[in-house]
Amino acid sequence: GAGVSQTPSNKVTEKGKYVELRCDPISGHTALYWYRQSLGQGPEFLIYFQGTGAADDSGLPNDRFFAVRPEGSVSTLKIQRTERGDSAVYLCASSSPTGSYNEQFFGPGTRLTVL
Amino acid sequence: KQEVTQIPAALSVPEGENLVLNCSFTDSAIYNLQWFRQDPGKGLTSLLLIQSSQREQTSGRLNASLDKSSGRSTLYIAASQPGDSATYLCAVKAGNQFYFGTGTSLTVIP
Repeated sequence: GAGVSQTPSNKVTEKGKYVELRCDPISGHTALYWYRQSLGQGPEFLIYFQGTGAADDSGLPNDRFFAVRPEGSVSTLKIQRTERGDSAVYLCASSSPTGSYNEQFFGPGTRLTVL
Repeated sequence: KQEVTQIPAALSVPEGENLVLNCSFTDSAIYNLQWFRQDPGKGLTSLLLIQSSQREQTSGRLNASLDKSSGRSTLYIAASQPGDSATYLCAVKAGNQFYFGTGTSLTVIP
């Protein structure tokens, strides 16, 4: 079936604006993760959903960042009052409770640039 | 907090060589370890996943080992090819979170 998809692939915004990044996980995957990757670094954990609820949001850097997953499938990462330091690639991953448990499958990412 | 380190940061080898990439982690209380490759400007592709109770996993020319007690994993690539050129990342799962290393950038020279 289809893999994890993310939209948009690129987003350029101005400092202070609000942005939404979307993740569509693999069908049937109940776990969903958001990461942020800066140039030359590994992905940094932001938030983990199990179903509709955020099971662990300890990686969100501050209260400008928020994520939802209202129906347990598509998730949206929301960033308010964007800052230049928010520029990074935002990656989404999903995993299934069956099969190779906890193997993560990643989307292609959204490259966010804050001018 | 779990810290994951990958050595070397970059590696360049001629085609056909066998090579080893290293990953170390500071806390042995992990659930699993996963190796990924990342091509420039792309997302991560899963290569191998090793559960904490396992010692190694193999897929084609790739073999990954895990020594949880010493906090180490290696990724062995046999008979390297130019198409193997990419950044290789390891990640460990501890609790709900996955912790990534900064990766090894591999270049295989034809």
